[in-house]
Amino acid sequence: AQTVTQSQPEMSVQEAETVTLSCTYDTSENNYYLFWYKQPPSRQMILVIRQEAYKQQNATENRFSVNFQKAAKSFSLKISDSQLGDTAMYFCAFMKRYGGATNKLIFGTGTLLAVQP
Amino acid sequence: KAGVTQTPRYLIKTRGQQVTLSCSPISGHRSVSWYQQTPGQGLQFLFEYFSETQRNKGNFPGRFSGRQFSNSRSEMNVSTLELGDSALYLCASSFGTSGVTDTQYFGPGTRLTVL
Repeated sequence: AQTVTQSQPEMSVQEAETVTLSCTYDTSENNYYLFWYKQPPSRQMILVIRQEAYKQQNATENRFSVNFQKAAKSFSLKISDSQLGDTAMYFCAFMKRYGGATNKLIFGTGTLLAVQP
Repeated sequence: KAGVTQTPRYLIKTRGQQVTLSCSPISGHRSVSWYQQTPGQGLQFLFEYFSETQRNKGNFPGRFSGRQFSNSRSEMNVSTLELGDSALYLCASSFGTSGVTDTQYFGPGTRLTVL
């Protein structure tokens, strides 16, 4: 069975600074996706970034980038130039890609990020 | 393109009642997954529907059921409600292709409170 671990329950960062959220996972699969979703106080779950395991290049979306270390099963999210609107709960998630897989996300417990003015 | 919509947004029920939640996926998406979010258990997968068939089911009692219609809209039903069913229920949709998974996009959720 797959598991996702986020060891930082809460983090705080000053506006305009950079912060890194950690995520580790455990799986015997070789083909999978990893995601970061954010859930602001409005509760809407929003996709931040996606990484496909077969791609060695780390995914980037504007101020958001990941450090994907497949062998170490590590998937951290870096937020540059933090903004007040980045305040949210951030979830790391895993999903199998092939082999009769279905659209089932396995989530970590989340990291609550507070951006301070 | 419109996002995933869920109705109702808030619901208050009493123990023993049943409830039906609705989810309309993004146009063109054929897969709908449901998740329960609680402070104690976090985000847990309930089930996934693709082309009107349940493809996968999480570890929930039979009181939790669902279905999908030909237009890909999905409903989930919870019978004989218990206090522990109070949660945010999230629906997510994706294109859905047989044998291959894809990115899921979430709706705003339905907040269910059981009294």
